[in-house]
Amino acid sequence: QALLQQWGAGLLKPSETLSLTCAVSGGSLHGYYWTWIRQPPGKGLEWIGEINHAGNTKYNPSLWRRLSISLDTSKNQMSLTLSSVTAADTAMYYCARLDILTSYPSWAFDSWGQGTLVTVSS
Amino acid sequence: QSALTQPPSASGSLGQSVTISCTGTSSDVGTYTYVSWYQHHPGKAPKLIIHEVFKRPSGVPDRFSGSKSGNTASLTVSGLQAEDEADYFCSSYAGSNNYVFGTGTKVTVL
Repeated sequence: QALLQQWGAGLLKPSETLSLTCAVSGGSLHGYYWTWIRQPPGKGLEWIGEINHAGNTKYNPSLWRRLSISLDTSKNQMSLTLSSVTAADTAMYYCARLDILTSYPSWAFDSWGQGTLVTVSS
Repeated sequence: QSALTQPPSASGSLGQSVTISCTGTSSDVGTYTYVSWYQHHPGKAPKLIIHEVFKRPSGVPDRFSGSKSGNTASLTVSGLQAEDEADYFCSSYAGSNNYVFGTGTKVTVL
């Protein structure tokens, strides 16, 4: 498993842009999908989107117009930007590693960040 | 996709067992063996404890076991210990590189 450490602004006003970064240590970016997942207060987990080492992305259809996920292989970091946030974007945000491309994949999210609470409030 | 359904809470006494269900549909849990379970202590990173229905990652105690029948997967924690008190959630592959998550279960050790 890898160690994922994430950070970013925790308090935003409506219409601002959410930016989070997830640094990966103890493992390569290759062979995995790097994923963002969020959990609104009192609700279940929601898949936001993912990117692989080649830079191929896939986004949640409900968020794609506002969403961008990128990978900086030189820094072993993944980033998330979500524009025009509203109160509905208030959630705990997690980065996670999805193991489905390795030689013996677990087909699961085998490493997670500690989470970043993002609150959108005027 | 809709979230997988889990009971909001479950409890068991020290040393006893608790089983948590995770109910999906024929489009996810019922079709794929890619069901995983996670333990989450608030404030910490979630931890993978079961993958591919019943497989345990290295370092996970064999007190944790998983199974599946039809559209429902289950996690059993045997010999409950105080540190097992946490939130648990499931996840399943749902085809087309999509994953769906469970609603989460808070386990209390009495």
